[in-house]
Amino acid sequence: EPEVTQTPSHQVTQMGQEVILRCVPISNHLYFYWYRQILGQKVEFLVSFYNNEISEKSEIFDDQFSVERPDGSNFTLKIRSTKLEDSAMYFCASRRQAGQPQHFGDGTRLSIL
Amino acid sequence: GENVEQHPSTLSVQEGDSAVIKCTYSDSASNYFPWYKQELGKRPQLIIDIRSNVGEKKDQRIAVTLNKTAKHFSLHITETQPEDSAVYFCAAVVYNQGGKLIFGQGTELSVKP
Repeated sequence: EPEVTQTPSHQVTQMGQEVILRCVPISNHLYFYWYRQILGQKVEFLVSFYNNEISEKSEIFDDQFSVERPDGSNFTLKIRSTKLEDSAMYFCASRRQAGQPQHFGDGTRLSIL
Repeated sequence: GENVEQHPSTLSVQEGDSAVIKCTYSDSASNYFPWYKQELGKRPQLIIDIRSNVGEKKDQRIAVTLNKTAKHFSLHITETQPEDSAVYFCAAVVYNQGGKLIFGQGTELSVKP
């Protein structure tokens, strides 16, 4: 069964540094998402992406965040200047079309020191 | 904004008993309701979902019910087993608005042998 893959599995970064989290969605999927989960809390929506543009973003997704689909397979989340409170598990998800479920990757654990 | 409330936050049952987790959503435009199971340190995995034109759906030991009027939906697990122990998240989606998942706070289910 095809899966969403995310790299790296764990990223440790100094506060103020830029970080890029990478995702390869399932190949025939058209809608892409980033979520984050602070330890012990619920999963929170960050951003959705369709047809090469952001379709919706949450209040969390401020100017420090950006997403990109640089080629036909990768979907990246960049945090320009990381803060301590950015420490969380970041999940990428994708779905094929409306009415279909979202499939999650294994996540990247981001630790900001 | 959209909100999903989930109860209880923790649930402990004996093996073989039933478990029920309840969620309430605020956005009446929500039309898709998935349930995810998350084991420690792993991705959320879809276990069952229901669309707004259906009142009940069953898959072996798992069932979900939806009351659109009351904006309630519930997960029922029968004949629980120790491997059912995990955190369960409900979510609500409005698919004609980008399809972001709005998650509940999660229920930590513990099944004691």
